[in-house]
Amino acid sequence: GNSVTQMEGPVTLSEEAFLTINCTYTATGYPSLFWYVQYPGEGLQLLLKATKADDKGSNKGFEATYRKETTSFHLEKGSVQVSDSAVYFCALSDQKNTDKLIFGTGTRLQVFP
Amino acid sequence: KAGVTQTPRYLIKTRGQQVTLSCSPISGHRSVSWYQQTPGQGLQFLFEYFSETQRNKGNFPGRFSGRQFSNSRSEMNVSTLELGDSALYLCASSLGTGPNEKLFFGSGTQLSVL
Repeated sequence: GNSVTQMEGPVTLSEEAFLTINCTYTATGYPSLFWYVQYPGEGLQLLLKATKADDKGSNKGFEATYRKETTSFHLEKGSVQVSDSAVYFCALSDQKNTDKLIFGTGTRLQVFP
Repeated sequence: KAGVTQTPRYLIKTRGQQVTLSCSPISGHRSVSWYQQTPGQGLQFLFEYFSETQRNKGNFPGRFSGRQFSNSRSEMNVSTLELGDSALYLCASSLGTGPNEKLFFGSGTQLSVL
């Protein structure tokens, strides 16, 4: 079945460091891919998405490119801030006509000043 | 515009009891989906409702059920609670259904089963 694999955390960085959180997927067909972020005590927020191969999603300095050849959707940011500390989830849409998402296990990011 | 509202925020129950959680979607949103979040299993899809009809269901036992009302508000019910049901239950709403619909999540209901 469809699945998402994320790198295990926590990822610990100093402010202004470069961030990469790896995400790979297994899916039939052409799913849409997402990154969600969860700040402490809150629900999930959509960070960015890509709906087809070679699409690049971007938001708030974060980017991820839908790579069908490597089945990957790695999240990157050039310069992280303390306020980026959160848990990041990679996800894919399971079918065309549903809101069902399959999530990775999440990666906790801790940014220190 | 108010966001997705889930009540209660925290809940403590004992094994064998049943519980009902509530979710009010963003005004105008007709689709509601539910997810269970645990440290061990991560985020798992429970079910999805659109216009009062269940469109999709995850791999959970029949003790987990849900419904959606005509105003799009949704409830989920868990009967005969087990310790392993302790989790954060998240509700998400969207205007319609499909992979390009943006999901808006509530802050969740933290359920503890003792």
